[in-house]
Amino acid sequence: GAVVSQHPSRVICKSGTSVKIECRSLDFQATTMFWYRQFPKQSLMLMATSNEGSKATYEQGVEKDKFLINHASLTLSTLTVTSAHPEDSSFYICSAREDRRSTQYFGPGTRLTVL
Amino acid sequence: SQQGEEDPQALSIQEGENATMNCSYKTSINNLQWYRQNSGRGLVHLILIRSNEREKHSGRLRVTLDTSKKSSSLLITASRAADTASYFCATDARRDDKIIFGKGTRLHILP
Repeated sequence: GAVVSQHPSRVICKSGTSVKIECRSLDFQATTMFWYRQFPKQSLMLMATSNEGSKATYEQGVEKDKFLINHASLTLSTLTVTSAHPEDSSFYICSAREDRRSTQYFGPGTRLTVL
Repeated sequence: SQQGEEDPQALSIQEGENATMNCSYKTSINNLQWYRQNSGRGLVHLILIRSNEREKHSGRLRVTLDTSKKSSSLLITASRAADTASYFCATDARRDDKIIFGKGTRLHILP
């Protein structure tokens, strides 16, 4: 099946710094990528939807200036957590699909810890 | 926004017993999927059932879908210790194709 990768798998940073997480579709071109966040013992919450070449659409309650999403190519989307704080510590998972009728494939996740 | 609600939230059963988890959702869907997640790990896709299907099997898994009640169930037969994990249903809403996850059921198989 199709593969989606994320990098890094784990990151620890100091409060106030910015962290970039990459999501790549390895063997297909992803016109749409999704970013989810998962707090411990909770479910995945959709943060935003990004379409290649256009601005991301954020879910209600997600700060677009804090979580910057760039989907500059058909195989790469990035999520930048700006001025990270301890409450941003979470598991971030991306997913990607080729088109609206295609299966959505999930990445392995990135665990962010903000000290 | 969260679409699905699973119940129970947590379930502990003896190894060898069957485990049943339920999921309810709110809007019209294209399909419904079940995922497993081991603690601290990524998602493992288990099974997809389309809105025009009522039941689907895959190995020890059996999924049902009742679109009139907007609900689905996942049955794991002859449970094993390795089945200990969290299980999530996820719906692909017809209006926007986004995949939204339910709250999940934490399953613990007792040896």
